[in-house]
Amino acid sequence: SAVISQKPSRDICQRGTSLTIQCQVDSQVTMMFWYRQQPGQSLTLIATANQGSEATYESGFVIDKFPISRPNLTFSTLTVSNMSPEDSSIYLCSVDKGTGELFFGEGSRLTVL
Amino acid sequence: DAKTTQPPSMDCAEGRAANLPCNHSTISGNEYVYWYRQIHSQGPQYIIHGLKNNETNEMASLIITEDRKSSTLILPHATLRDTAVYYCIVRSYNNNDMRFGAGTRLTVKP
Repeated sequence: SAVISQKPSRDICQRGTSLTIQCQVDSQVTMMFWYRQQPGQSLTLIATANQGSEATYESGFVIDKFPISRPNLTFSTLTVSNMSPEDSSIYLCSVDKGTGELFFGEGSRLTVL
Repeated sequence: DAKTTQPPSMDCAEGRAANLPCNHSTISGNEYVYWYRQIHSQGPQYIIHGLKNNETNEMASLIITEDRKSSTLILPHATLRDTAVYYCIVRSYNNNDMRFGAGTRLTVKP
C-alpha cells in the first residue's frame, strides 16, 4: 500500500488567482499522476509527473494552466492557474509503486467563486 | 478514451452477491482488467485485477470470459459499506496511466 497526503484538502478561491496542491507519498515512486474529477463526473487524467523531467500532459490540458513540479521521488505539486469557476473540481494525486495498482490520495476539493 | 462499458447503476440487497459487469471488446492481448471503487468523497480504492484467469482476493472475485471481451466483478456478500461507484479499466502493465470510464454506481440496500 501507499500513504498519500494531499494539501489542502479543500479550498475556496477567487477567480483569477492560482492554487498549488501538494502531494506527499510515504515512499519513493517513479510515476505520479494527477487527475481531475468534476462534480458528478468520473476521473480525467491531467498529466503524468516523472522525477527529473517535464510532466506529460493529456489532450486538453496544458502546462501554462496546470504547471506541475516533481522535485524528488516522494513529492509533487499541481498548480491550477488563473482559476475560473469551471476549474471547480476535486484534484487527485495517485502513484504506481510498480505493482500495477494505483494508490490515490483523498483529493483536494477546489471551489472557485 | 475509456475502453470499457458499464451499466450506469445497479442495486443489490445487503448480504447478497453483487455482480458488476463490464464490456471491453477491444481489449488487447497485453492489457489487464482492473477494478477500482470510489466511496463518496474519497479517493478511488484498488479492488482487484487480472489478465485472463479468474482472480480472487479478500475483497472480491474477478471473472474474465475466455475471449476476454467482458468481465464480472463479484462482491460475494455485499454490505451497506460497499455502496460506491465501481470502475472497470483496461490497461497495459507497462503503460503507466489509468483511464477511468463512467463506472457503475452500486447501491446496497438493507
